[in-house]
Amino acid sequence: DTGVSQNPRHKITKRGQNVTFRCDPISEHNRLYWYRQTLGQGPEFLTYFQNEAQLEKSRLLSDRFSAERPKGSFSTLEIQRTEQGDSAMYLCASSPPGQGNSPLHFGNGTRLTVT
Amino acid sequence: DQQVKQNSPSLSVQEGRISILNCDYTNSMFDYFLWYKKYPAEGPTFLISISSIKDKNEDGRFTVFLNKSAKHLSLHIVPSQPGDSAVYFCAASVMGTSYGKLTFGQGTILTVHP
Repeated sequence: DTGVSQNPRHKITKRGQNVTFRCDPISEHNRLYWYRQTLGQGPEFLTYFQNEAQLEKSRLLSDRFSAERPKGSFSTLEIQRTEQGDSAMYLCASSPPGQGNSPLHFGNGTRLTVT
Repeated sequence: DQQVKQNSPSLSVQEGRISILNCDYTNSMFDYFLWYKKYPAEGPTFLISISSIKDKNEDGRFTVFLNKSAKHLSLHIVPSQPGDSAVYFCAASVMGTSYGKLTFGQGTILTVHP
């Protein structure tokens, strides 16, 4: 079990630049989630995929944010024109199909710092 | 609007004693509750859960209690061990909606002293 893999682990970027993060879920998991965690807070839901379909998006996900899961396997989260307020830990999680209350398996996150 | 609250930012306990972590929620639609543990530089890992049809769920040293009328849940760790030192998050969801859309509390830092 390789777990949920996220890359890169850390990203430092200048304000205004675009960044892209990648998440590889556990292979048999069809559900994939993105969360964001800022200092001193719990993770906040951003978006949810079932296979390749993006079924839910939080209002936290502004127009500068876009997530994709083109083949129902890995997912990418892109932030355009980054702002300092985007600095956070971005967490990806996955869960298997058909088990309604199966808990989420989280990756170790990508820490974004916008300077 | 903080729908899930953990009012104690930190808790310090002696090894072997009981740790009690508390969580309150405001959304009466929540019907499934989970506790996650997080070590530094790692993602949260699932610990234990409870649905609203129960008031207690036990797994080894970990027990979660749910008081629906008070909209309160707690996690008991007995006996506490130094390896339990971590940040603990409670989370809640509405089972009828998309699974995995969890609302988290702010977390409580547990320190267990040898």
